[in-house]
Amino acid sequence: QITLRETGPTLVKPTQTLTLTCTFSGFSLTTRDVGVGWIRQPPGRALEWLALIYWDDDRQFSPSMKNRLTITKDSSKNQVVLTMTDVDPVDTATYFCAHRHITWNGIPYFDFWGQGTLVTVSS
Amino acid sequence: DIQMTQSPSSLSASVGDRVTIPCRASHNIDVFLNWYQQKPGRAPKLLISAVSNLQSGVPSRFSGSGSGTDFTLTISSLQPEDFATYYCQQSFTIPMTFGPGTKVDI
Repeated sequence: QITLRETGPTLVKPTQTLTLTCTFSGFSLTTRDVGVGWIRQPPGRALEWLALIYWDDDRQFSPSMKNRLTITKDSSKNQVVLTMTDVDPVDTATYFCAHRHITWNGIPYFDFWGQGTLVTVSS
Repeated sequence: DIQMTQSPSSLSASVGDRVTIPCRASHNIDVFLNWYQQKPGRAPKLLISAVSNLQSGVPSRFSGSGSGTDFTLTISSLQPEDFATYYCQQSFTIPMTFGPGTKVDI
């Protein structure tokens, strides 16, 4: 059974760095085609994809956020860490991590999600 | 970036209704289209991958169709537990993008 759980601060001040950890079980981030992604959702708004790290340590980022994001994995601890620098109140959102896989014909999707963690950016 | 649009942003329906939820991509995304259901305060749930592949455990009243730029999620007979917001997502290119969602309510 695949599970993911996000942890991190609930309140961050503007200009600070936000660090979120995704701890997962039920799969390995060393398995081919597997990845873990981060997606956020501001209150009452739509989902926004942020970043993805793959089994082979390849990484992809949303171009609009690329300069502020870092994503790393520790496969031995079953954790993925997302770091976002210079946060702003507009970064207030629920942050989800999700398991990424692909269909038999190579189409990516997110099939298991964490419950999400609400992060508020405010002074 | 590929823009995903979903219109209407909300629709009202009754139990037993057949509901169709459209999604349009700004560029051709072939069949790289997934559908998610989200209920208030909950994480999104994958319903359908690659346009029409129903996920394990998802009721067969859900189905998907389309290719290229135009896609549809269909609920053949709406059930009380289906009242939620539905998002389409393209995974054809980076950045992966989600539509703004269609809320299905009573």
